[in-house]
Amino acid sequence: AQSVAQPEDQVNVAEGNPLTVKCTYSVSGNPYLFWYVQYPNRGLQFLLKYITGDNLVKGSYGFEAEFNKSQTSFHLKKPSALVSDSALYFCAVRPVGYSTLTFGKGTMLLVSP
Amino acid sequence: DAGVIQSPRHEVTEMGQEVTLRCKPISGHNSLFWYRQTMMRGLELLIYFNNNVPIDDSGMPEDRFSAKMPNASFSTLKIQPSEPRDSAVYFCASSSSGGRALETQYFGPGTRLLVL
Repeated sequence: AQSVAQPEDQVNVAEGNPLTVKCTYSVSGNPYLFWYVQYPNRGLQFLLKYITGDNLVKGSYGFEAEFNKSQTSFHLKKPSALVSDSALYFCAVRPVGYSTLTFGKGTMLLVSP
Repeated sequence: DAGVIQSPRHEVTEMGQEVTLRCKPISGHNSLFWYRQTMMRGLELLIYFNNNVPIDDSGMPEDRFSAKMPNASFSTLKIQPSEPRDSAVYFCASSSSGGRALETQYFGPGTRLLVL
């Protein structure tokens, strides 16, 4: 069975600094990987996905993620954090041939002014 | 596009009552997913439909939970009877093209359920 680990419950970063939210996965075969963001009292919003090709994926709001097959990781990054990036971030995996997503527990990102 | 629509946004009910949550997927999407989010268990998939047919309901916690999709534009999740441990945020999501891996799921705003 597939699984996703987000090892940090919370990440704190100052505005203007780079941010990284970590995600590792376990899956049989090739994975399709996703990042979603959830703002308070809102649904999940799609940020980006890795299907195939370039290991560096660019998404919404200046976010990007790097797929590393050897380390089974898909860390979310942004060069310069904004206070408005403060939210709950979910990593998700979908193995090839499956139709459903498996989500991590989520990481709360807090960006201080 | 209006996105995925869920109603009600908030529901407070007493233990033992029937609760019905509603979802309208994005027009043209033919896969629909129901999730439950709690602090303890995170985000869990309850059931998903493809072309109005339930494909995987292994996440439905027990017989008190049931879901239907009578047509491509409407789905319900029913809890009867409700219990306090059912308190959670319930999300509906939809995607196109049979839910294949290439397709992105789009989430509704959720229904916050509190069972007293």
